[in-house]
Amino acid sequence: EAQVTQNPRYLITVTGKKLTVTCSQNMNHEYMSWYRQDPGLGLRQIYYSMNVEVTDKGDVPEGYKVSRKEKRNFPLILESPSPNQTSLYFCASSTRTSGRETQYFGPGTRLLVL
Amino acid sequence: GESVGLHLPTLSVQEGDNSIINCAYSNSASDYFIWYKQESGKGPQFIIDIRSNMDKRQGQRVTVLLNKTVKHLSLQIAATQPGDSAVYFCAEKNSNDYKLSFGAGTTVTVRA
Repeated sequence: EAQVTQNPRYLITVTGKKLTVTCSQNMNHEYMSWYRQDPGLGLRQIYYSMNVEVTDKGDVPEGYKVSRKEKRNFPLILESPSPNQTSLYFCASSTRTSGRETQYFGPGTRLLVL
Repeated sequence: GESVGLHLPTLSVQEGDNSIINCAYSNSASDYFIWYKQESGKGPQFIIDIRSNMDKRQGQRVTVLLNKTVKHLSLQIAATQPGDSAVYFCAEKNSNDYKLSFGAGTTVTVRA
């Protein structure tokens, strides 16, 4: 089954304790992206990756890092989490076919930073 | 149908009626637009897309309309069903770019 998986699905942590949220896709997509979703703000792009070893900042990259060492994985790293990073996070992957680009989203990771 | 031309954060629709969800986009350079549906506890799911060289595209029970002059996008759902209850997001991008920008979303509630 074609899918995007994220782990963990729920996480409670404390300020300053480094954490990583993993994302993996099995569709051989070139493009992957991380979003955060906050009430009233919709989804905002944090980082994206066009292919292996190619990443770029989205609209809200501060406080986050990413890496793309393999095509299927795109982990999101919070080196020193702060309470304002409490949010719902989504990973997505996509490929372009005939000028169309369909993003497949993971199930989400709900993060609470105390 | 419901209000046209105005973005509403919530929309309540009688089962069987048609729904119209509006979205205003901001970037004149955007040439590709997508509607997503997000059910409670799940990630967004692709519904339908449209390129800027079109002004209308139809899918199964859904139609997307694009008005580039006023930078307005709408999603019409025919014969709305309880399973259509969700948050609907429009998204815009430029084909030469990888960034995808989402609107704030409209929560649709279907009344039995």
